Amino acid sequence: EDQVTQSPEALRLQEGESSSLNCSYTVSGLRGLFWYRQDPGKGPEFLFTLYSAGEEKEKERLKATLTKKESFLHITAPKPEDSATYLCAVPTLAAGNKLTFGGGTRVLVKP
Amino acid sequence: DAGVTQSPTHLIKTRGQHVTLRCSPISGHKSVSWYQQVLGQGPQFIFQYYEKEERGRGNFPDRFSARQFPNYSSELNVNALLLGDSALYLCASSLPRETPLHFGNGTRLTVT
Repeated sequence: EDQVTQSPEALRLQEGESSSLNCSYTVSGLRGLFWYRQDPGKGPEFLFTLYSAGEEKEKERLKATLTKKESFLHITAPKPEDSATYLCAVPTLAAGNKLTFGGGTRVLVKP
Repeated sequence: DAGVTQSPTHLIKTRGQHVTLRCSPISGHKSVSWYQQVLGQGPQFIFQYYEKEERGRGNFPDRFSARQFPNYSSELNVNALLLGDSALYLCASSLPRETPLHFGNGTRLTVT
């Protein structure tokens, strides 16, 4: 069964203090890895799709990278508006377009 | 373009009651999925429908059912509500196959 584990569970950063979030996965044949951002009381907002090891995607202060066993979401010089829960997910071969999510990393950026 | 819309946004029900949640996908998206998100956890897959047919089902009891209509909107039904059904229910739509899911803002269900 596909498994996704995210670490740390929570991260407190000072504004401008760069850090990385980890997403490790066990899947039978990777068909992509998705990163989402979720604000309190809202649905997850799509950020990136990564398909192969070595691939990188960037958006503003966020950069996602992928290896054969894990993905990292790097937050460079974060601002308070980057505070959110970041979720990673992998599609499962069976069951249509089902996504298996990790538990998320709650990021709080203090000014 | 409008995103995925869900109704109602909040709902309070009593144990044993029935609930129906509704979802309208992004225009042009024929696939709709439902997820349950308990506070502090990642979303858990409940169902996926494509072209009005069930294409996937998660590890949820038969009290949970869903359907998709000809206009691709969808309903999630939960019977005999339990306290543990309290959660944020998310609907997502997508184009076929391995494409990103686009989520609505969910229905917050509280069972008392």
